[in-house]
Amino acid sequence: EDQVTQSPEALRLQEGESSSLNCSYTVSGLRGLFWYRQDPGKGPEFLFTLYSAGEEKEKERLKATLTKKESFLHITAPKPEDSATYLCAVQAGETSGSRLTFGEGTQLTVNP
Amino acid sequence: EPEVTQTPSHQVTQMGQEVILRCVPISNHLYFYWYRQILGQKVEFLVSFYNNEISEKSEIFDDQFSVERPDGSNFTLKIRSTKLEDSAMYFCASRWTSGQWTQYFGPGTRLTVL
Repeated sequence: EDQVTQSPEALRLQEGESSSLNCSYTVSGLRGLFWYRQDPGKGPEFLFTLYSAGEEKEKERLKATLTKKESFLHITAPKPEDSATYLCAVQAGETSGSRLTFGEGTQLTVNP
Repeated sequence: EPEVTQTPSHQVTQMGQEVILRCVPISNHLYFYWYRQILGQKVEFLVSFYNNEISEKSEIFDDQFSVERPDGSNFTLKIRSTKLEDSAMYFCASRWTSGQWTQYFGPGTRLTVL
């Protein structure tokens, strides 16, 4: 069974204080690892897709990396508007309709 | 920028009633999904749909649930006889094609069963 574990559950940062969120996964035949941002009462907003170990993606203050067992979402000099829950999900299997398996998320609060 | 839309944003129903949640996926996408998120819990897969049939479903997706693509633009989730435990946010997602694996999510429908 595919499993995704995110840590920490919650993270409180001061504006400008860089940090990293962790996503550990166990999956048979990883097809892709996905990072989403979710604001309260909203749907997951796509951030990054990573397909193979060693891959890195960047967008503004965010950078996602992938190894064979985990992924990190690095946040550089965060701003209050980066406050949200960050979700990690994996997709596995050979079928064309592969499901996403999500972690519990990390709730990030950035104080001004 | 194309996006997935869902209606209604909030649905309140009585236990035992039927509800239909509606989604309009991104227009050139071929793969469609429903997920749910119970308050304070993680997002869970319900069903995937491709080429007018279910490709995969989870153990949550029992006989009370059904999906349909009644026309070229809408994708619906029906719950035949709602239970209290069906109260959750329901998200529709779509994906373009095989080889492009990213799923794009809608804003969700909050279902409240009384």
